[in-house]
Amino acid sequence: KAGVTQTPRYLIKTRGQQVTLSCSPISGHRSVSWYQQTPGQGLQFLFEYFSETQRNKGNFPGRFSGRQFSNSRSEMNVSTLELGDSALYLCASSRGRNTEAFFGQGTRLTVV
Amino acid sequence: SQKIEQNSEALNIQEGKTATLTCNYTNYSPAYLQWYRQDPGRGPVFLLLIRENEKEKRKERLKVTFDTTLKQSLFHITASQPADSATYLCALDGLGGYALNFGKGTSLLVTP
Repeated sequence: KAGVTQTPRYLIKTRGQQVTLSCSPISGHRSVSWYQQTPGQGLQFLFEYFSETQRNKGNFPGRFSGRQFSNSRSEMNVSTLELGDSALYLCASSRGRNTEAFFGQGTRLTVV
Repeated sequence: SQKIEQNSEALNIQEGKTATLTCNYTNYSPAYLQWYRQDPGRGPVFLLLIRENEKEKRKERLKVTFDTTLKQSLFHITASQPADSATYLCALDGLGGYALNFGKGTSLLVTP
C-alpha cells in the first residue's frame, strides 16, 4: 500500500511569492491534515480536510489556505511568503478522528 | 493555556539499556495520546496509541503508560539499539479528535 506522497520535496522561494504544496493520501483515507514544523515551534497544526471540507483550522494567518479534491488529494497554498514561513510542511492522512496519522516525507520550504 | 512538555535535553543511553521518555501535559483532558518517531528530514512515523481508559500498552520492545491523574505518559524502549536513535514525539488529540497537538520531542541517542 503506497504511503502519503508529498510534492515537491524541496522548494526555494522569494519573499512575497506564493507557493502550492501537494499531498496524496493513503488510498481509502479521507482525512488529510497539514502541519508546519520549525525548530523553534515544533509541529503545529495548520488545517484538516475531510470530504473536500475544511473541518478545523489552526492558529495561522489567512495567507495559509488549502483545499481537498474529490479523490482526497489535498493542496495547501501560502501567499505573500515571509522569511518566517521557512519550514518543513508535513501532510498526514488518517481514517478518521482519534486514529493514528500517517505522515508524508514533507516539503522543505525555504524563503529567501 | 494547553501545554505538552517533553524533555528538551537529549537522552543518551547505552545499547541494551531501557530508554524512558516523558510527556507531561497541562490544561488538557485528552481522549488518547500517541507516540511518534521522527528521523532527520523525514515525517513522523506512528508508534503507539493509548486511550484515556488504558493504563499501559505494549508493542514488541515498546511500552507506553498513560496516567491521567498525573497528566503524564511514559514511553519505554527496552533492549535499546543504535537504530532506535531518533526524536520521539508525544501527541495529544485536539479539536475534537480532528487534529494532533505535538510536544517538541526528545532526541534519543543509543550508543554501542
